[in-house]
Amino acid sequence: QKEVEQNSGPLSVPEGAIASLNCTYSDRGSQSFFWYRQYSGKSPELIMFIYSNGDKEDGRFTAQLNKASQYVSLLIRDSQPSDSATYLCAVTATTDSWGKLQFGAGTQVVVTP
Amino acid sequence: NAGVTQTPKFRILKIGQSMTLQCTQDMNHNYMYWYRQDPGMGLKLIYYSVGAGITDKGEVPNGYNVSRSTTEDFPLRLELAAPSQTSVYFCASSFVRGGSSGANVLTFGAGSRLTVL
Repeated sequence: QKEVEQNSGPLSVPEGAIASLNCTYSDRGSQSFFWYRQYSGKSPELIMFIYSNGDKEDGRFTAQLNKASQYVSLLIRDSQPSDSATYLCAVTATTDSWGKLQFGAGTQVVVTP
Repeated sequence: NAGVTQTPKFRILKIGQSMTLQCTQDMNHNYMYWYRQDPGMGLKLIYYSVGAGITDKGEVPNGYNVSRSTTEDFPLRLELAAPSQTSVYFCASSFVRGGSSGANVLTFGAGSRLTVL
């Protein structure tokens, strides 16, 4: 059973601080990794994706991928109350030629003013 | 450009009833998906389609059926509704070039909240 695991939280972060979210995956050959944000009662929306080991930055967000350790993380710098949401990690399985995503259960982030 | 449109947004069913959740996308995406999301859980894939006339099962297909007669539409049919099908259902679509699955960025609909009593 391929799994994507995240700490469910809630992760409480003071406004202006850095939020650090982690995601581990069991399929060693996974190649594509995605972070989605989901506000309560809304649908998921893509924040960013990463393929290669290392860091990828997009505005206040940085995704970090370490394939050897099988984890991907998301850093949110200068956290704002509007960042309060659930963050879903998703992975494309190696054996899946159709690129279907497997999602983790999500980490709830609460940014406190 | 409406993106991915799902109807209805809310529905209450009695046990044993059937219904169809509608999903339409206007982005000319070739891939379409149906997910369900239970409280505190991630998204579970029910069915997916890689093009008109081609569908396949996901992780949790039991109790559901789909069809894809056009590129735009991907309805999800619930037969003999059960309380276990109470969930939020999301339709999603993506465009994947020539069999390459790397950049599979999904666009989600707003969701359909289904309660089975």
